[in-house]
Amino acid sequence: DTEVTQTPKHLVMGMTNKKSLKCEQHMGHRAMYWYKQKAKKPPELMFVYSYEKLSINESVPSRFSPECPNSSLLNLHLHALQPEDSALYLCASSHRTGDTEAFFGQGTRLTVV
Amino acid sequence: KQEVTQIPAALSVPEGENLVLNCSFTDSAIYNLQWFRQDPGKGLTSLLLIQSSQREQTSGRLNASLDKSSGRSTLYIAASQPGDSATYLCAVRGNYGGSQGNLIFGKGTKLSVKP
Repeated sequence: DTEVTQTPKHLVMGMTNKKSLKCEQHMGHRAMYWYKQKAKKPPELMFVYSYEKLSINESVPSRFSPECPNSSLLNLHLHALQPEDSALYLCASSHRTGDTEAFFGQGTRLTVV
Repeated sequence: KQEVTQIPAALSVPEGENLVLNCSFTDSAIYNLQWFRQDPGKGLTSLLLIQSSQREQTSGRLNASLDKSSGRSTLYIAASQPGDSATYLCAVRGNYGGSQGNLIFGKGTKLSVKP
């Protein structure tokens, strides 16, 4: 099983809403990632968790708050987003950060209105 | 800072043709290089992973090569099919610095295979 599952697939939220994106994997991977992808652009790294600890935050605004409650789950909490935050949010995992293969989920299409 | 470039940005070929997608990177200090496929509005599907010590990897009709010293990789697709139409992304994992181990992506090649 090389599956990374993201929910929801689509999300529309207002600028005053609070919502969460969820990501789950059962491959025993200890590195998990959030990427943001705008239309016709490559994915851009947002956060990296290694062994459930936040190891990289690529200068992401505080309205995005990641959480890794256990080794299989990764959340992205959203609050007071702007319309320009509308994008495809991708979760990925790998055995560890470094020389291992990364597997991506199908993404959450987020629209901020 | 690592930069990944993919050429061409778009490619249209008739069904059955063999084709080559190119990827270049500026810093050879990498753990590995990974090729992905992305269908419109979807996530990324891993196609091939080449470790820095390897020269090529094959999966079905796909063959990827890596020349780390020159900073180049190619993805060869044999006997292309309309179902191969997608955007192909190349990504490298650096092995030093603050972003060690993180994937750096090229902008992709959008492939269209005409029936």
